Order: sequence, then structure tokens, then C-alpha cells
Amino acid sequence: AQSVTQLGSHVSVSEGALVLLRCNYSSSVPPYLFWYVQYPNQGLQLLLKYTTGATLVKGINGFEAEFKKSETSFHLTKPSAHMSDAAEYFCAVTMGGFKTIFGAGTRLFVKA
Amino acid sequence: KAGVTQTPRYLIKTRGQQVTLSCSPISGHRSVSWYQQTPGQGLQFLFEYFSETQRNKGNFPGRFSGRQFSNSRSEMNVSTLELGDSALYLCASSLAEAGGPVTYNEQFFGPGTRLTVL
Repeated sequence: AQSVTQLGSHVSVSEGALVLLRCNYSSSVPPYLFWYVQYPNQGLQLLLKYTTGATLVKGINGFEAEFKKSETSFHLTKPSAHMSDAAEYFCAVTMGGFKTIFGAGTRLFVKA
Repeated sequence: KAGVTQTPRYLIKTRGQQVTLSCSPISGHRSVSWYQQTPGQGLQFLFEYFSETQRNKGNFPGRFSGRQFSNSRSEMNVSTLELGDSALYLCASSLAEAGGPVTYNEQFFGPGTRLTVL
């Protein structure tokens, strides 16, 4: 069965510090992987995606993620956190078909 | 290009009533998916429509139903509302195609409809 696990429902970092949000998936076929961000009272916005090719993917707002097949991971990073990065982040996977499975989400807090 | 729109944005109903939510996808998008988002369960997939056909369905009771029109607009209906149906209902559209090679399913989300059941 397809599944997505996000480690840590809440992550707190200081402004300027590294952001690392973890995502692991289970899949029997090559997955397509996504990170979405949700700001309060808004829908989800795509940050970045991995389909094929280069395993290091760059997205908007300075975020990037690396697909590691051997670890079945797709962790999201940003070198320097900004206050405006405070939001909820969702990892998602599509494994064929047209159904997307989302992780439970990680709420990022950024301290001044 | 206009984004995904959902109406209404907020809705208050009482138990036992029914509700219909509407979603207009991005122009040219033929796939529409619906999700229920709650603090306890996160984002849960309800169903996905493509060209007026339901292609995938999540694990929700039959009280939850949907449809898609020829212009790709979609509605979802919840009958006999329960307190636990209170949630943010999100609609997402994509360019997913019928048949052919599998495409990545990048979805564009609307702002959601906040449903409160009293």
C-alpha cells in the first residue's frame, strides 16, 4: 500500500537557521514526489516536485529537496529560515494512476 | 489565468442537513480532486473526476458524493451531515490525462470551503 510519513508534526527553528523537514514514502513503483505549503486559511501551493531526472530538486522560496531512492526519502531543506516560512508543509506522492497520497503535515515555526 | 475557485468559502449547517460545495477548475484542466482536511486526520482524499467520470474514490461513506459537469466544474454533496463532517474541503485541479503514459499529477488547489456542522 502507498504511504507517506512525515517525521515530526511540529518543527521549530530560529530565523536564519537551517530548515529540514523529513518525508519518507513506501512505493512498489517509481514515485512522483511533491512538497506543498499551506498558509493559514489558504489552499495548498506547490513548492517543488520530483518526477524523473536530477534527484536534487529546487523549488520556490529557496526550498529544495533530494530524492534518495535507497532511503525512500524526499526531505525538504532551506539553508536559512525566514519568518515568512512559518506554515504547514505537506509531502505527497503519486504512484501511477491519478490518486495522490499526502503525509500528515509538518507545521514549521520560525522564532525571531 | 484564473486559479481554482470554490464556493462558498464558509458554510454553517446543522446535523442531518445536506450540503453542496462547488469547484471551478483552472481553464483547460479536466481533472478535479476533492479532499477533506481536519486537524486530526489531515488531508484525506475523497474522489477524483475526469471528463465527468469518477476515476478514484477514497474511503468515505456513501453520504459523500460528487459529480463533474461537461465544463469540468465539479460539485460535491454531503447528505445527512454529522458533527464529524466539520472540516475544510479542498478542491484541486490538474492536467492529468486519460489513458496514455502516467503523468505526474501536479495539482492546483483552491482556497477551500470551511464547513461547520452544529
